[in-house]
Amino acid sequence: EPEVTQTPSHQVTQMGQEVILRCVPISNHLYFYWYRQILGQKVEFLVSFYNNEISEKSEIFDDQFSVERPDGSNFTLKIRSTKLEDSAMYFCASTPPGAQETQYFGPGTRLLVL
Amino acid sequence: GIQVEQSPPDLILQEGANSTLRCNFSDSVNNLQWFHQNPWGQLINLFYIPSGTKQNGRLSATTVATERYSLLYISSSQTTDSGVYFCAVGQGGKLIFGQGTELSVKP
Repeated sequence: EPEVTQTPSHQVTQMGQEVILRCVPISNHLYFYWYRQILGQKVEFLVSFYNNEISEKSEIFDDQFSVERPDGSNFTLKIRSTKLEDSAMYFCASTPPGAQETQYFGPGTRLLVL
Repeated sequence: GIQVEQSPPDLILQEGANSTLRCNFSDSVNNLQWFHQNPWGQLINLFYIPSGTKQNGRLSATTVATERYSLLYISSSQTTDSGVYFCAVGQGGKLIFGQGTELSVKP
């Protein structure tokens, strides 16, 4: 069964450094999402992406964040200058065409900012 | 925005017991999913259930959309069922997650 994949599984970085989290959505899916989960808290929506542009973003998704679909398979989340509070699990998700469909989540990237 | 509340927040069961987890939401939705977060942090899709009833092995779920709640039933619980169960709802696009129910199944 096709799966959403994410790399790396874990990343440790210094405050102020840039990080890029990578996702490969399921191949025929058209809608892509990033979510984050701070340790011990609920999962929060960051951004949705469709047709090569952001369709919705949350208040969390400020100018330090950006998303890109650089080719036909990858979907990336960049954090320009990481802060301690960016430490979290980041999940990528994708959805097939259609208004009402299951979102399929990747296994997550655990980011630790020191 | 839409609010999602899950209950109970914590639940401890003996292996073999049954349980019901509840998810209330504050507005009409066109997407509702139940997830199990395993000890490694992965979110495992359990059900896509914006309305109606579904069953998958020992798990089943029912959503009553008109009354804005969903229930997840776990029967004959096993230690591997331990973890956090999340309900998430959507109105077209993003999912909004509840705070989760942390389930611990003791042998």
